[in-house]
Amino acid sequence: NAGVTQTPKFRILKIGQSMTLQCTQDMNHNYMYWYRQDPGMGLKLIYYSVGAGITDKGEVPNGYNVSRSTTEDFPLRLELAAPSQTSVYFCASSSGLAPYEQYFGPGTRLTVT
Amino acid sequence: AQSVSQHNHHVILSEAASLELGCNYSYGGTVNLFWYVQYPGQHLQLLLKYFSGDPLVKGIKGFEAEFIKSKFSFNLRKPSVQWSDTAEYFCAVTTNSGYSTLTFGKGTMLLVSP
Repeated sequence: NAGVTQTPKFRILKIGQSMTLQCTQDMNHNYMYWYRQDPGMGLKLIYYSVGAGITDKGEVPNGYNVSRSTTEDFPLRLELAAPSQTSVYFCASSSGLAPYEQYFGPGTRLTVT
Repeated sequence: AQSVSQHNHHVILSEAASLELGCNYSYGGTVNLFWYVQYPGQHLQLLLKYFSGDPLVKGIKGFEAEFIKSKFSFNLRKPSVQWSDTAEYFCAVTTNSGYSTLTFGKGTMLLVSP
């Protein structure tokens, strides 16, 4: 199993551009998550999904959108990139909500200038 | 909503020293507790977790943590650290109520000098 994979690994965006961060898992997990990690701030939940077609906001959803058309994929969309979205983005998946372990992808480092 | 506090942002130790990283949470009900580790340039990996039962939990690589309900704490310990333990450590909590998701602490960066 590849686990959770994310593309791209790195990306530089100009202010106002848009992009999609891809996340795929091959563990047949129903639950998937997007986090952002900023230095000294830990991980903050952006959006999560409990199954195909079902998504919900996390702690910091503003400026992002998600969709979940299949069990495997959970892309994160940035519509109008802002410098405040410079961060490392992690996707994760789990077989259930609490208290199941979440498995993390390798991350995408995004810089908005 | 639950929250997690990690006491130290940075810890520097010499090899073979003992380690204790503090973690406190705020939530009045039943919790599930986790410690994740992030080695330099890598993604988060689970070190150990507590759901119920014995409050002393043993994880991978010689780490352990003790859940003390009366103190709302879940401190991480290791008797003798190695240079390879240099990493960032995150405490996280989730509850059993509804669609509870993981709440992370801000992390503790551990630097072990050889």
